[in-house]
Amino acid sequence: KQEVTQIPAALSVPEGENLVLNCSFTDSAIYNLQWFRQDPGKGLTSLLLIQSSQREQTSGRLNASLDKSSGRSTLYIAASQPGDSATYLCAVRGLGGSEKLVFGKGTKLTVNP
Amino acid sequence: DAGITQSPRHKVTETGTPVTLRCHQTENHRYMYWYRQDPGHGLRLIHYSYGVKDTDKGEVSDGYSVSRSKTEDFLLTLESATSSQTSVYFCAVQVNVFYGYTFGSGTRLTVV
Repeated sequence: KQEVTQIPAALSVPEGENLVLNCSFTDSAIYNLQWFRQDPGKGLTSLLLIQSSQREQTSGRLNASLDKSSGRSTLYIAASQPGDSATYLCAVRGLGGSEKLVFGKGTKLTVNP
Repeated sequence: DAGITQSPRHKVTETGTPVTLRCHQTENHRYMYWYRQDPGHGLRLIHYSYGVKDTDKGEVSDGYSVSRSKTEDFLLTLESATSSQTSVYFCAVQVNVFYGYTFGSGTRLTVV
């Protein structure tokens, strides 16, 4: 059974700092990995998707990496801003036909002005 | 949000009553999912559908049933609501292998 872990559970940083969020998964047989952002009381917004054959994806100040063999992904946020404050979730899609996602519990990020 | 609408957005119901939540999509995506989100547990899959009338169970399916009679609608029914089903329920669709999944805005359900 796939298990996804995100460390730390919460992170507080000053504005402008570069930071890394971690995601690990137990079964390396994945199709892809997706990072989401969730603001309080809201739904999930997709940030980046990395296919299993890729090593990284970039969007603006965000960079996600994937090391499938070691079961790890990182989300790098450059020059953090208070507007980046949210919970960040990673989810992996397995190779099975159901194409369902397994989620980590998230990292709650607070960026202080 | 890729045309996903969840209804209702909020609902309070009494223990023992049946409740149906609706997920409506406008873009003919094949795969649809129902998740619940609870503090300390994260998002857990309840049921999913891979086509009209094709559904299967997720990891927390007890006490829930689903139906998909049309591509655009995926209904989640709590057969007899319990307080442990108080949660935020999210519907999702798989857009494609390059874009991944898109989620609705959620339904906050309180069972009293």
